[in-house]
Amino acid sequence: EVRLVESGGGLVQPGRSLRLSCVASGFRFEDYAMFWVRQPPGKGLEWVAMISWNSRGIGYADSVKGRFTISRDNAKDSLYLQMNSLIPEDTALYYCVKDPVTGWSGGGGFDPWGQGTRVTVSS
Amino acid sequence: QSALTQPRSVSGSPGQSVTISCTGTGNDIGTFNYVSWYQQYPGKAPTLIIYDVIKRPSGVPDRFSGSKSDNTASLTISGVRSEDEADYYCCSYAGSLTYVFGTGTTFTVL
Repeated sequence: EVRLVESGGGLVQPGRSLRLSCVASGFRFEDYAMFWVRQPPGKGLEWVAMISWNSRGIGYADSVKGRFTISRDNAKDSLYLQMNSLIPEDTALYYCVKDPVTGWSGGGGFDPWGQGTRVTVSS
Repeated sequence: QSALTQPRSVSGSPGQSVTISCTGTGNDIGTFNYVSWYQQYPGKAPTLIIYDVIKRPSGVPDRFSGSKSDNTASLTISGVRSEDEADYYCCSYAGSLTYVFGTGTTFTVL
């Protein structure tokens, strides 16, 4: 069974940093692209970032570019999101999501999703 | 990276067919056949129900179907059931290793 378990969320002041982690199990992590998607309280989904299986392909939403950094450690079956210069608009539930197919091509969708870790940016 | 446009709410009676639209631009839906749809129940993580415009993951009922015309994608639920009441989101690849989600639609079973 595929499992994605996020951690690292919490309450942080504006301008500070936070690092999210996602530990994967139940599949060969090194073969799949991975994504972060967030959902502000009571609002819709927003794609945040992606990283290819070998970390050579990385993309960010304009809203986080220059502030967030996605990375992975295939030896530890782990995905990360380093979030700097946090602003209140970053308040959301952050989901770790797997590419359902190997060899990322843009398609395939996002599946499955973790249960999320909550980030609150407030003074 | 503007969000794709979905109707805020849609409703239908059991047994009916309903369609949820998702409108993008020539830079996302209009260029790539990489539209996916997600179902989300309150307090739960989203689940994939359609990918690559028309494909259905195993285990997803065949009453869910997808299509695309120009810059608009659509999700059709044929033979609505009470358990289909949920939020639905579309998503499209937008090039340069980026994606964009739709604004989301709340589907209510009457």
